[in-house]
Amino acid sequence: ETGVTQSPTHLIKTRGQQVTLRCSSQSGHNTVSWYQQALGQGPQFIFQYYREEENGRGNFPPRFSGLQFPNYSSELNVNALELDDSALYLCASSSTGSTNEQFFGPGTRLTVL
Amino acid sequence: DAKTTQPPSMDCAEGRAANLPCNHSTISGNEYVYWYRQIHSQGPQYIIHGLKNNETNEMASLIITEDRKSSTLILPHATLRDTAVYYCIVTPDSNYQLIWGAGTKLIIKP
Repeated sequence: ETGVTQSPTHLIKTRGQQVTLRCSSQSGHNTVSWYQQALGQGPQFIFQYYREEENGRGNFPPRFSGLQFPNYSSELNVNALELDDSALYLCASSSTGSTNEQFFGPGTRLTVL
Repeated sequence: DAKTTQPPSMDCAEGRAANLPCNHSTISGNEYVYWYRQIHSQGPQYIIHGLKNNETNEMASLIITEDRKSSTLILPHATLRDTAVYYCIVTPDSNYQLIWGAGTKLIIKP
């Protein structure tokens, strides 16, 4: 069983640029959630994808967008990067219809200069 | 906003039991209590969850008060590798968005 993987592990961008982060979900999981974690804070929910459709969104602007593919892997895209977008971006996979946990990847550390 | 309140930090001696409290006085009848931990710069890791009854697994025990307004996570024999931030979360659906507070930073001392 392969766990949740994310790429890249680290990324440095400049203000105004665009970035794409990738996540491969755990085998058998059809739901992917994305979280943003600023330094010293708990993760904040960005959005969730279930069967290639957005299934809920947190308080993030439209420049944060995502995709889920038929194999349930996912991308997070952020346009017009701002300094405050510097954070650890976490991807979690899960299966619907159960009370089981979300499995998190190691995260992508994004630094915006 | 998070529906839970946790102390910001705690210390525990290696080999002793670590007891981490969590208040969730506004918990609804259909909400579960979940515990995750996050070791420095890694992704969060699930520990345990419960609804009403106390629960135990290979990592920890979860004690939920009868009125369900608070709970305690117990790591029975803490090791240095248990040093992490521990998050208590209440949610009706673990597959949907999890709302995280600031957690408790647990430091295990030799």
